[in-house]
Formats: sequence, structure tokens, C-alpha cells
Amino acid sequence: DVKVTQSSRYLVKRTGEKVFLECVQDMDHENMFWYRQDPGLGLRLIYFSYDVKMKEKGDIPEGYSVSREKKERFSLILESASTNQTSMYLCASSQRGDVAKNIQYFGAGTRLSVL
Amino acid sequence: GQNIDQPTEMTATEGAIVQINCTYQTSGFNGLFWYQQHAGEAPTFLSYNVLDGLEEKGRFSSFLSRSKGYSYLLLKELQMKDSASYLCAVMDSNYQLIWGAGTKLIIKP
Repeated sequence: DVKVTQSSRYLVKRTGEKVFLECVQDMDHENMFWYRQDPGLGLRLIYFSYDVKMKEKGDIPEGYSVSREKKERFSLILESASTNQTSMYLCASSQRGDVAKNIQYFGAGTRLSVL
Repeated sequence: GQNIDQPTEMTATEGAIVQINCTYQTSGFNGLFWYQQHAGEAPTFLSYNVLDGLEEKGRFSSFLSRSKGYSYLLLKELQMKDSASYLCAVMDSNYQLIWGAGTKLIIKP
């Protein structure tokens, strides 16, 4: 079974803090993704990575950065947390290739509250 | 622009059948995916369609019509544990998933 593990289920941070969200997958997947999920909206892609040290901006990268130093680990960084970054953050991974290989598998999510 | 529409909420009765519709307009199409998400949990993959027609997986089936930009997820013999949100997503020409907002399905006894 694919396992995607996010380091925290719940986080409470203060405005202006630097926040690190960690994600680890154990299936040797090439692709990794960070989304945020807000009520009434679909999942929105923040950043993704196709390989180690590679990163691509998604639809809403402003205020975020990422790091992928190892294949299995993809970190999301909020440089200076703001209240509008309060959200559920979901990490996902997939293989590379045809459609079937691009099925994304998700971690349990991190619910971040910025006060 | 890219748009995926699905109903916000649906209610059905235990043991019955329910159909959740999804319409889409995207730049390119490589497949349509359905995920299930229980409250507070991760989305889990249910099925995908690449070609027109029906794909059946036990109690769940998914249908696709590419010419109409339309899909549905059919759930049979509903159980209380099927109460969840169902997310429709289209894989675009860059192999990125574009997500609908999800349909919250409420099952009543």
C-alpha cells in the first residue's frame, strides 16, 4: 500500500512565524504535490515536484516555497504565516507515466490555524 | 478557463442508488478521476475513466462522455459508511489534476 505521511495533523501558529510542513512517501514516487483545501473550493495546487531538487509553481504559490532534497520528502514552507493561510494542507504523490501511473495518493492532511 | 461543476450536496437513503454528476471544461483531457473523502480525512482514489463508457468497480461505477464533458459516479446499495464527499477531477494536457469542489453525500437510514 502507498503511504504518504504528513508530519502533523494539527498546527497552530502565529502571524509572521515561519512554518514547515513535512511530507514523506514510501513508494519511490517521482511526483509530489502540495494542495490546500478550503470549504466550497476544490483542491488548489500550491507547488509540485517531478524530481529531486525540482519544483514547479502551481495555481497559488504566493506566500509559499518548497524543498525537495530527497526523493521521498517534500516540504512546504510558509515564509511568514498570515491568517489567510489558515487551511487544510494536503500532500500527494504519484508515479510518472501514463494516466494510471498518475493516480495521486494523499496524506491525511495538516490542519493549520494561523492566529 | 477551466471549470469543473458538481452538486454541493446530495441526500440518499441507505440501500438505495445515487448518481453524482460532474461536468467539466478544461484545456486538454487525459482522464477523469473520482475520489472519496471522509470528513477530516485524506481523499482516497475510487476510479478513473479515459475512454467513453462505464467502468464498474463493485458497488461503484463511473461513466464518461468526452463529447459532452460529462461524467457521473453511481453508488449502489448505499451504506452509512458511504457518507462522504466525492471529488471529481480532470487530468489536463499537462497531467495535472483540476478539481471540482466536491459533493457532500448524506446517507439517511
